[in-house]
Amino acid sequence: AQTVTQSQPEMSVQEAETVTLSCTYDTSESDYYLFWYKQPPSRQMILVIRQEAYKQQNATENRFSVNFQKAAKSFSLKISDSQLGDAAMYFCAYTKRGGGADGLTFGKGTHLIIQP
Amino acid sequence: DSGVTQTPKHLITATGQRVTLRCSPRSGDLSVYWYQQSLDQGLQFLIQYYNGEERAKGNILERFSAQQFPDLHSELNLSSLELGDSALYFCASSVGPAGGLHEQFFGPGTRLTVL
Repeated sequence: AQTVTQSQPEMSVQEAETVTLSCTYDTSESDYYLFWYKQPPSRQMILVIRQEAYKQQNATENRFSVNFQKAAKSFSLKISDSQLGDAAMYFCAYTKRGGGADGLTFGKGTHLIIQP
Repeated sequence: DSGVTQTPKHLITATGQRVTLRCSPRSGDLSVYWYQQSLDQGLQFLIQYYNGEERAKGNILERFSAQQFPDLHSELNLSSLELGDSALYFCASSVGPAGGLHEQFFGPGTRLTVL
């Protein structure tokens, strides 16, 4: 079974600085998707960024980018120019590609604190 | 607002009871997923329905069941409730059956408290 590990329960960064959240995963599949979700205090789950494993190019969405290392099974999220609104729980998630989707497998999350 | 609605927002009940959580997917979405978020287990996938049929099962207990109706709304039934069932239950929807290819949009969740 696939697993997703986030080794940083909490991270803190100064406003306007850059922070990187780590995620590793384990799967026997060769084709899959990886995601970062944000959960602010409102508890709403918001998709931040998505990476398709067969694409070598790292995904980017404005201030958010990923470093996808398929061989190492690593998928880190970099947030540039951190803003107060970025404060939230961040979850790394995985799902396999293809039929019979199993839903998303989530890591335990990283609590990101933005210091003004 | 994701377009996915869940009712009720909060539910307080006693051990041994049965409750039903309801989810309406975004307009046009055929797939519905249920997730449980608890302090102990984190976020867990429970079950997926696509166009009325069960598509995939995750860590769903036998005391829990779900269905998707012809109008595509879904209900999650939790019975013989235990203290450990207290959690935030999310519904998500997507246009197609593949949970990675098609983005999943999450509802605001139902907070269940079992006393």
